[in-house]
Amino acid sequence: EAGVAQSPRYKIIEKRQSVAFWCNPISGHATLYWYQQILGQGPKLLIQFQNNGVVDDSQLPKDRFSAERLKGVDSTLKIQPAKLEDSAVYLCASSLDVGSSYEQYFGPGTRLTVT
Amino acid sequence: TQLLEQSPQFLSIQEGENLTVYCNSSSVFSSLQWYRQEPGEGPVLLVTVVTGGEVKKLKRLTFQFGDARKDSSLHITAAQPGDTGLYLCAGGDAGNNRKLIWGLGTSLAVNP
Repeated sequence: EAGVAQSPRYKIIEKRQSVAFWCNPISGHATLYWYQQILGQGPKLLIQFQNNGVVDDSQLPKDRFSAERLKGVDSTLKIQPAKLEDSAVYLCASSLDVGSSYEQYFGPGTRLTVT
Repeated sequence: TQLLEQSPQFLSIQEGENLTVYCNSSSVFSSLQWYRQEPGEGPVLLVTVVTGGEVKKLKRLTFQFGDARKDSSLHITAAQPGDTGLYLCAGGDAGNNRKLIWGLGTSLAVNP
């Protein structure tokens, strides 16, 4: 079974530029998550989709961040314009909506550096 | 606001030593998961515990869920350099759209 795919793996941009990240979840996983992770810390949820609907985007800085999952499969996360404090790893995860275990499966992440 | 506190935040030990990492909250969780993350990779699920008092073993790793389902511990016996990484606990909230509450992590370094 293929895992969660993310691209690109690394991105370096200047502040005020825009950037987009792509995620393809595990086949059949209805729920998709985007997280921001600062080095050495736990992940911070940015947005959660169930199929193509948004379940939780309460911590998404909506003035500069946007995300979509138009067909309920793959997803893109965009930052425009980027700030220095956006430098972080952006993780995508997916899960099955079965049972009560809440197990999430992560991609390798995209390391963003804003200069 | 639900919080999960992990301790210690950093741990550096010699190969062969034992260690315990703690994950505590004042909230009750429907499940508790432990993940390990290596540099440049996403977190990888190690175990899920769902029953109060449950103990699970994964080779040299022992996981325990507190009786009240508010806390958990991870014990590693005879640590190896390959155990090095960031250990994250995450609690499942049955009433919150399958959202996980994440701890800040314990960064473990096992020196040969």
